[in-house]
Amino acid sequence: QVQLVQSGAEVKEPGASVKVSCKASGYTFTGLFIHWARQAPGHGLECMGLINPSDGSTTFAQKFQGRVTLTRDTSTSTVYMELSSLISDDTAVYYCARGNSYAYDYWGQGTLVTVSS
Amino acid sequence: QSALTQPPAASGSPGQSVTISCTGSSSDVGTYNYVSWYQQHPGRAPQLMIYEVSKRPSGVPDRFSGSKSGNTASLTVSGLQAEDEADYFCISYAGSRDWVFGGGTKLTVL
Repeated sequence: QVQLVQSGAEVKEPGASVKVSCKASGYTFTGLFIHWARQAPGHGLECMGLINPSDGSTTFAQKFQGRVTLTRDTSTSTVYMELSSLISDDTAVYYCARGNSYAYDYWGQGTLVTVSS
Repeated sequence: QSALTQPPAASGSPGQSVTISCTGSSSDVGTYNYVSWYQQHPGRAPQLMIYEVSKRPSGVPDRFSGSKSGNTASLTVSGLQAEDEADYFCISYAGSRDWVFGGGTKLTVL
């Protein structure tokens, strides 16, 4: 069955970077996009960007351009999301999700990133 | 501010029907038949309920249905059950590898 398993919770200081992983299984990793979104406490979901695991090409929401890096490792079917120059407003649950038929059909369990000094 | 506008809250009694709207623009909802709807219970990851405006993934009850008119998409939950109480949000494709999100609607089963 399709699964996306994310890495565990992180606590970071302001100005630091965080790297979250998303390991896919149960389907052909290079066949579908992986999207990233985040949800701050008490708020709705916010689109961050996507990666095409086949060729590594990426697209980012304007708000995150220059601060987010998406990479993939096809040997382990894993996508990585790195967010730099963290501020307190980056405290959120970060999700990866598989893109299929222009929808997000499977989601990771979420990774809580807390930014605090 | 979300690109797609949803009412912050909706409610209904068990057995009733409730409809949640998702209003975008001619650049997203109005142009593409790629609106999807998600259910999210507290502390859980979102679950896909509707894709391509009105299609249901395997396993989603047929009490959930979707539609679209112009720049507004809608999710209808018929025969409300207690387990339907959750947050619901919409996503629309907007072209050029861009997706736009709704702010979410909290559905309360009275």
